[in-house]
Amino acid sequence: NAGVTQTPKFRVLKTGQSMTLLCAQDMNHEYMYWYRQDPGMGLRLIHYSVGEGTTAKGEVPDGYNVSRLKKQNFLLGLESAAPSQTSVYFCASSSSRDRSGANVLTFGAGSRLTVL
Amino acid sequence: GQSLEQPSEVTAVEGAIVQINCTYQTSGFYGLSWYQQHDGGAPTFLSYNGLDGLEETGRFSSFLSRSDSYGYLLLQELQMKDSASYFCAVPRLGQNFVFGPGTRLSVLP
Repeated sequence: NAGVTQTPKFRVLKTGQSMTLLCAQDMNHEYMYWYRQDPGMGLRLIHYSVGEGTTAKGEVPDGYNVSRLKKQNFLLGLESAAPSQTSVYFCASSSSRDRSGANVLTFGAGSRLTVL
Repeated sequence: GQSLEQPSEVTAVEGAIVQINCTYQTSGFYGLSWYQQHDGGAPTFLSYNGLDGLEETGRFSSFLSRSDSYGYLLLQELQMKDSASYFCAVPRLGQNFVFGPGTRLSVLP
C-alpha cells in the first residue's frame, strides 16, 4: 500500500532549465494537489485537480504547469526554473469527505528542489 | 480570501499539556483540520472539527468555536516524539485547502 509517491525526491537545477515532478497515488482518490513549503510560510497551494482531465490554479500558480491525464497521476512542470522556485514540493490526494465530514489529505514524502 | 494565524513556536516539557491556537478568516467555512509534520517528513492528518466543540483522539483533542473563528489543538501527556510542526487548515469550495503558517512545538526532557 504505497499511498502517494513522488519522484524524484531530490533535484538540483540551473536557472532556466525545465523539469517535471511526478505524483502517483494508488488510493483511487478523485482530488490531487501540489503544494510548496518554504520556511515559515506553511504550505501554499500551487495547482490542484478535482478529477481526471481537470486542473485549477491555487494560490501561487505562476511559473508552474500541471496535467492530470490519468486519475492516479498528477504532474507538476517547471518550464524555466528560477531560484525563487527553490522549495520542498508536496503532492497530496483526497477522496470525498469521510463520515465525520472531514476531507483528509494524504501527502507524499516530498520533493526537494534547488534552483541555482 | 482566507487567512489563518498560529503562534510560530511553543515549548513545553515532557508530561505537560500544551495548547496550539488557530484563528481564521474565511469566506465560507467548512471545518478546521489539524496536521502534524516532523522535520524532514510529510504532513499527516490529526483531527477535524466540522461543528463547535471538542473532538478527542487519544492524547490529542481539537476544539472549534465558529462564532469566534477560533480553534485549538490540545496535546496532553507530552512525549518527546510530539516535537514537530502543527498546521491548522481550512477546506474551501472546490476541494482545496488553505494552511496556516505552522507552529513548531519543542518538547523538552
